[in-house]
Amino acid sequence: GESVGLHLPTLSVQEGDNSIINCAYSNSASDYFIWYKQESGKGPQFIIDIRSNMDKRQGQRVTVLLNKTVKHLSLQIAATQPGDSAVYFCAESNNDMRFGAGTRLTVKP
Amino acid sequence: DTAVSQTPKYLVTQMGNDKSIKCEQNLGHDTMYWYKQDSKKFLKIMFSYNNKELIINETVPNRFSPKSPDKAHLNLHINSLELGDSAVYFCASSKRPNTGELFFGEGSRLTVL
Repeated sequence: GESVGLHLPTLSVQEGDNSIINCAYSNSASDYFIWYKQESGKGPQFIIDIRSNMDKRQGQRVTVLLNKTVKHLSLQIAATQPGDSAVYFCAESNNDMRFGAGTRLTVKP
Repeated sequence: DTAVSQTPKYLVTQMGNDKSIKCEQNLGHDTMYWYKQDSKKFLKIMFSYNNKELIINETVPNRFSPKSPDKAHLNLHINSLELGDSAVYFCASSKRPNTGELFFGEGSRLTVL
């Protein structure tokens, strides 16, 4: 399943499917981007980051893609699990860390 | 040991009161932040301190006053609380400003009645 971040704040996927969460950032001068995961009742936690000199970075089950031309960032989660259910934020850094609106991911068993 | 700890976790108070939220980090980081998260989960930066010096001061009412007694602590005092101040306030820290991962506390949920 896919979301478009600001325009579709919720994404529901079946357990085992891949998830794609999208984010449009605003500042073309931003050179560092991070995805955070926020579980209910907790603070945001770092998932993965990427610098502007890269267009792809992979972690464990997660991949971040950066398209500077259109100022777009995406987070791909492979084989989504119930524990992945959370709100996901992209953040861009220039002079400070600015967060996007967030997308709520719900994983159905 | 909790890396970034903030107290209290919950705070319910009347309009017009003054309250404080405290934050401490044991990560040895130079930079600390306060973020406000509204009911729609939008996270907005309020203040940032680096080595006890204020480096980011977003457009927030003067009723909000941060204080950093040392680089491991950043407290937030709010005067004359208003209904619109109800939110979850997150403290965070990073090794240095403008770069690197932020480590967040668990949040302090403020409810103004």
